[in-house]
Amino acid sequence: GNSVTQMEGPVTLSEEAFLTINCTYTATGYPSLFWYVQYPGEGLQLLLKATKADDKGSNKGFEATYRKETTSFHLEKGSVQVSDSAVYFCARAVGGSYIPTFGRGTSLIVHP
Amino acid sequence: DVKVTQSSRYLVKRTGEKVFLECVQDMDHENMFWYRQDPGLGLRLIYFSYDVKMKEKGDIPEGYSVSREKKERFSLILESASTNQTSMYLCASGEREGLDTQYFGPGTRLTVL
Repeated sequence: GNSVTQMEGPVTLSEEAFLTINCTYTATGYPSLFWYVQYPGEGLQLLLKATKADDKGSNKGFEATYRKETTSFHLEKGSVQVSDSAVYFCARAVGGSYIPTFGRGTSLIVHP
Repeated sequence: DVKVTQSSRYLVKRTGEKVFLECVQDMDHENMFWYRQDPGLGLRLIYFSYDVKMKEKGDIPEGYSVSREKKERFSLILESASTNQTSMYLCASGEREGLDTQYFGPGTRLTVL
């Protein structure tokens, strides 16, 4: 089936620590892959995306690489800030379908 | 700048009331979506619409209906609100083919007493 699996949170880090949030997906067709971020009290907004294998999406210091061989799209950031505290959602979308599939979200808490 | 707006940020209703949640997008998108978000469950799709007057059930349509009379507006209706419909409701819109980005509104936190 179509699914996206994210690591469970919360992930708690100190400021300037390295971040990885794992995401794997089922490989049906040739999906596009997304990371969305939801800051407290807000809706989701696109953080980055990649549309084909080996593409790297990047934004605001975050990166994720579309790995077809491992069906993964892990989110990374070299040095997190308190302002990165939010919930992060991995998602996939397949051509011909109107409906993206979202992971359950991973909460990130960054302490000063 | 693209925008999806929702009629209320916070709403408190009583059991049995009819509730309308409105969503408007200004990007001329064909697709619009209603999700509910609950702790530990992520986003669950209630209904979506791929054109005016067209609608499709999502994963959890029971207890909800929708209306799309104009391209820019997608309404979610709770015919008779119940306490288990207390949740965060998120509206989103997107391009026709679904591969492109979804744009979300700020959400409506609905409490049913």
